[in-house]
Formats: sequence, structure tokens, C-alpha cells
Amino acid sequence: LAKTTQPISMDSYEGQEVNITCSHNNIATNDYITWYQQFPSQGPRFIIQGYKTKVTNEVASLFIPADRKSSTLSLPRVSLSDTAVYYCLGELIFGQGTELSVKP
Amino acid sequence: GAVVSQHPSWVICKSGTSVKIECRSLDFQATTMFWYRQFPKQSLMLMATSNEGSKATYEQGVEKDKFLINHASLTLSTLTVTSAHPEDSSFYICSARRTGEGSSPLHFGNGTRLTVT
Repeated sequence: LAKTTQPISMDSYEGQEVNITCSHNNIATNDYITWYQQFPSQGPRFIIQGYKTKVTNEVASLFIPADRKSSTLSLPRVSLSDTAVYYCLGELIFGQGTELSVKP
Repeated sequence: GAVVSQHPSWVICKSGTSVKIECRSLDFQATTMFWYRQFPKQSLMLMATSNEGSKATYEQGVEKDKFLINHASLTLSTLTVTSAHPEDSSFYICSARRTGEGSSPLHFGNGTRLTVT
């Protein structure tokens, strides 16, 4: 199962774009890359999923290079409510996640 | 759509007793569900894969006789923590994926906070 590596924490300010990169060197050929957001004492919430290149939805963009060994979650114009832990998954295994702190 | 519901959201029990946690997929069928455990300030750890109509598959280091999993229908999986001890106190989260959609995202419940006194 794919193991992922992310920065442990990131700080940002309201209105900024935040990019969180995840390394997944041994992701399986068939696995999609999925990003989740988790608030304290809640289950993870789906943000976005992709296989290759770029995917965009109403809340985020996901960039995946051709070799698929990494992916970058892009959150445009973050707000205080985006303060949370963000996880990337290759399949079922969670990495340590990135704790994003958005300041006013 | 794709809502996963867990019950109870929190439970306090005495050491030595058993606790059952339910995980339901409300608007879709899920042949497979997954149980995770999360300790404070840590990531989610996969405990087991629950398979409808067959035995669960447990991750290395997870005691199958202590964490009993039953997946009796396509919308319900239960996790029973038997003979609970204080070290079993944790946040238990289930997830499910629509049957037949192997590449679709996992949908997570809101977790169950178990406190063993």
C-alpha cells in the first residue's frame, strides 16, 4: 500500500493561496490520489481526487505530474475556516497529514 | 449523496465491558467498509477491512478477537471492542466506498469517541 509523506505543518494568512505537496513514490498504477480535510473530532471530509495532470473543483485544484510520485493540493484564497489537517491518500493508508493554520 | 453515519458519536464505558459501534452507509451500498482508529494528535490508522458476508481482514498488530467486526448487510458494519481497557480509548472512524466503484473516494463517518474508565 502506498505510503505518503507531507509537511507536518504550514502557516498561511487569509486570502492567500496555499499549496500542500505530498510524496507518494510507490503509488500503485491503479490508485487514484485523494485529498481529505479533517477538523478536530470529526471524520475526514473529501476534497478532491485525481489520477494524472490537473483536476479542479469548486474548492481546490490538484496537480499530479506525469510520474505520479507526488501531488500538490492547491487551496485558493484560504480563510480561517480552512484551518485543519489535510491528508493525501494513495489508497487506504493515511500519512501524518499537514496541519494548516490560517491566520487573520 | 454518499453519506456514512456512525453511532454512537461518543461512548463512555467501564474497563472490562464491551462496546459496539455501528457504521451505516445511508444512501449507497458498500460491500466493503474500513475501520480506522485515531489517537490524539496522530493520523488515522487502518485497523481492518470489513467485508459483507465474509470475515474481516485485519491489519498487522490489530487483535481480531478484541475488535470484532461484523458486516451483515450492504449498508451496515459493526465494530465491537471487547473487554475494553483504558488504552482502547480512542477515536474510531469508519469509511465506505460505493460497491462497484473501486476508484471512487472513501466516504467517512463522523467518528466515535470511546473513553474507557
